[in-house]
Amino acid sequence: QVHLVHSGAEVKNPGASVKVSCKASGYTFTDYYIHWVRQAPGRGLEWMGWINPNSGGTNYAQKFQGRVTMTRDTSISTAYMELSRLRSDDTAVYYCARVVVGTRAFDYWGQGTLVTVSS
Amino acid sequence: SYELTQPPSVSVSPGQTASITCSGDKLGDKYACWYQQKPGQSPVLVIFQDNNRPSGIPGRFSGSNSGNTATLTISGTQAMDEADYYCQAWDSSTVVFGGGTKLTVL
Repeated sequence: QVHLVHSGAEVKNPGASVKVSCKASGYTFTDYYIHWVRQAPGRGLEWMGWINPNSGGTNYAQKFQGRVTMTRDTSISTAYMELSRLRSDDTAVYYCARVVVGTRAFDYWGQGTLVTVSS
Repeated sequence: SYELTQPPSVSVSPGQTASITCSGDKLGDKYACWYQQKPGQSPVLVIFQDNNRPSGIPGRFSGSNSGNTATLTISGTQAMDEADYYCQAWDSSTVVFGGGTKLTVL
């Protein structure tokens, strides 16, 4: 059974950084890209980027370049997303999702991590 | 940048057919996926590669994609299908989501 399990909710001050983790189980971690998608309260899905767990290669959405860093630790099958210089409009649920290489579809999603940015 | 446009809301009566559209420039040249999201839950893949259903997704869900429009069709809509639906496509190596459509079953 595939599972993607997120770290817990975070509350951060404006200007701070947050690092969210996503632990994978039930499959070979390095065989599937991990993407990060966020959803602000009452809003739609917004793609942030992906990491190739095998090589560590990344591709970030232009909007987040310079502020986001995606990494992974293959020894514990965990992907990380760090967002810096947080603003109030970064308040959102952050999801990791697995993408199937062949179909390029997001077939499994984590439960999400709520990040609240507030002073 | 590439954009996908969905109607904000669609209403359907139980047992009837619901159609949700997703428009983008030459979208038919790309593959479209659809995700269902219920309140407080993570999105669930319901259609991939335009018209394929993952295992476990009921047969009443189907999809099509041609020209500039992809369509998610729910036949015999049930109350449990009330949710937000998002289309998604790839533009080169980046991912694009539509703005989402709230499906109301009433």
